[in-house]
Amino acid sequence: KNEVEQSPQNLTAQEGEFITINCSYSVGISALHWLQQHPGGGIVSLFMLSSGKKKHGRLIATINIQEKHSSLHITASHPRDSAVYICAVRLHAGNQFYFGTGTSLTVIP
Amino acid sequence: EAGVTQFPSHSVIEKGQTVTLRCDPISGHDNLYWYRRVMGKEIKFLLHFVKESKQDESGMPNNRFLAERTGGTYSTLKVQPAELEDSGVYFCASSQGLNYGYTFGSGTRLTVV
Repeated sequence: KNEVEQSPQNLTAQEGEFITINCSYSVGISALHWLQQHPGGGIVSLFMLSSGKKKHGRLIATINIQEKHSSLHITASHPRDSAVYICAVRLHAGNQFYFGTGTSLTVIP
Repeated sequence: EAGVTQFPSHSVIEKGQTVTLRCDPISGHDNLYWYRRVMGKEIKFLLHFVKESKQDESGMPNNRFLAERTGGTYSTLKVQPAELEDSGVYFCASSQGLNYGYTFGSGTRLTVV
């Protein structure tokens, strides 16, 4: 069983829709990252969270440490948002990350 | 500021051959990580360097994999001899430290045929 679970695995949305991607984890963490991977491209770090909420443009990330849950929201989605979104957590002990399998998002014009 | 650079971007080799992947971290980032994603699975940790020292190599799958970071700058990951199950995307990431963000490279897509 993976320490990090994401849902949904695949998501198709119409342009302009509000999108939510969820991440649950089963271990104590020191930080959580949301990453974006475009087809054929590398990985871009969107957010690093240890508590609360962060916003960057149309992207919002929240984390609830007690519930071991984080969400990534995209407002007014656009086709260029189409990518795989990956949740990664860093444990209290150690420096390595554990990754979710990713959510493949397709935004249709 | 230049990002994390990995090359080659793609590599196709035959089973039994040797391949060397390279990662150039952001200048000044002492922490360098190797990860890989095999098809259909989540990204998995391979190892972590602090400067030239291996801090944690618990994710290295077997002794066919050898990582080095001579001089604490760029790192190489050699696979010798390559097997079919080694196919996947190998990512490198670097960071100034635990409380700083991580920057990932674009990855090397390795295909072993």
